[in-house]
Amino acid sequence: AQTVTQSQPEMSVQEAETVTLSCTYDTSENNYYLFWYKQPPSRQMILVIRQEAYKQQNATENRFSVNFQKAAKSFSLKISDSQLGDTAMYFCAFRVDPGTYKYIFGTGTRLKVLA
Amino acid sequence: EAQVTQNPRYLITVTGKKLTVTCSQNMNHEYMSWYRQDPGLGLRQIYYSMNVEVTDKGDVPEGYKVSRKEKRNFPLILESPSPNQTSLYFCASRFLAGGQTQYFGPGTRLTVL
Repeated sequence: AQTVTQSQPEMSVQEAETVTLSCTYDTSENNYYLFWYKQPPSRQMILVIRQEAYKQQNATENRFSVNFQKAAKSFSLKISDSQLGDTAMYFCAFRVDPGTYKYIFGTGTRLKVLA
Repeated sequence: EAQVTQNPRYLITVTGKKLTVTCSQNMNHEYMSWYRQDPGLGLRQIYYSMNVEVTDKGDVPEGYKVSRKEKRNFPLILESPSPNQTSLYFCASRFLAGGQTQYFGPGTRLTVL
């Protein structure tokens, strides 16, 4: 069975600093997608970044980047120059492609950015 | 505006009283899905649909039903709700092809007494 593990339930970071959120996953598949979603206090789920497993290059989106280690099945999210608006719950998620259309989410990391 | 809408946004009900949470999207997406979010458990997929009249179970389908009679709508039905179905529910949709972005609705907070 595929699983996604986020081992840090809560984290905090000072404004303008850098923070890294961890995510590991388990699968026997070779082709899949990995995602980081942000859920601010409004509860809206927002896609932060996506990584295709066949791509060796790590995905980046402005201040957000990932460190994708396929062999280690690790997919961490780095947030640079943290802003107060980054305060949110962050979920790591996984989907096999092609094949099933199931999504597997981690349990989340609550990030608080301190002024 | 492209969006996924859910109704109601908040609902308090009693055990055994049938209810339906509606989900609608205006992006012509083939794929739609329901999730529940519980503290410490993250999001878990309940059901998903790859197109009209095509549905399949996610990881936690027990106690729920769905139907996909139209492409834009994907209602979630709780025929006999129980307190363990108290949760935050999200509907989502996306195009089927490749790694298309999944768009989420605003969520429905359900409390079953």
